[in-house]
Amino acid sequence: AQKVTQAQTEISVVEKEDVTLDCVYETRDTTYYLFWYKQPPSGELVFLIRRNSFDEQNEISGRYSWNFQKSTSSFNFTITASQVVDSAVYFCALSEATSGTYKYIFGTGTRLKVLA
Amino acid sequence: DAGITQSPRHKVTETGTPVTLRCHQTENHRYMYWYRQDPGHGLRLIHYSYGVKDTDKGEVSDGYSVSRSKTEDFLLTLESATSSQTSVYFCAISERQGGNREKLFFGSGTQLSVL
Repeated sequence: AQKVTQAQTEISVVEKEDVTLDCVYETRDTTYYLFWYKQPPSGELVFLIRRNSFDEQNEISGRYSWNFQKSTSSFNFTITASQVVDSAVYFCALSEATSGTYKYIFGTGTRLKVLA
Repeated sequence: DAGITQSPRHKVTETGTPVTLRCHQTENHRYMYWYRQDPGHGLRLIHYSYGVKDTDKGEVSDGYSVSRSKTEDFLLTLESATSSQTSVYFCAISERQGGNREKLFFGSGTQLSVL
């Protein structure tokens, strides 16, 4: 069965600090996708990144970087030099590609507060 | 932005009344989903559809039913609303084509309050 665990419920950092959001997943499928979504205070859900299970390269996009490790079933998200605008709830999600379930399963989210 | 419209955006209703939420898409995506968001629980899948008249249950389907008679519309019905169904409901769509087109697009959400 699919499962996504985001153990950090809430994190507070001071602006310019680096912060890492953890995501651990469970799946029996060999082909799957992992995602991160951002939900700012306005409430919309914004897609940040997708990773497929065959691509373990880490990715960097500006101040954001993602570390995908199949060996530990983790897909962690790091924000470098955090800013107040990064304050949001961040969700990690998993979708199995070949199990035929068509589901996207989300973690419980991590609320990030960046203090000025 | 993906063409997804949820209606209504806000609704207040009384316990025991039926409620229907509508999700309308203009993207012709095959897959549609209903999630609810609650503090401490994140986004939980209620029901999803993988085609017209093809639906299946998610993690928290009790008390909810869905229908999809057209590609563009996915309806979520609370047959007899309860206070535990007070939540924010999000509709999402996906092509599930794999590769760079594999992702969920979300609607703006419906805030439902059951008194």
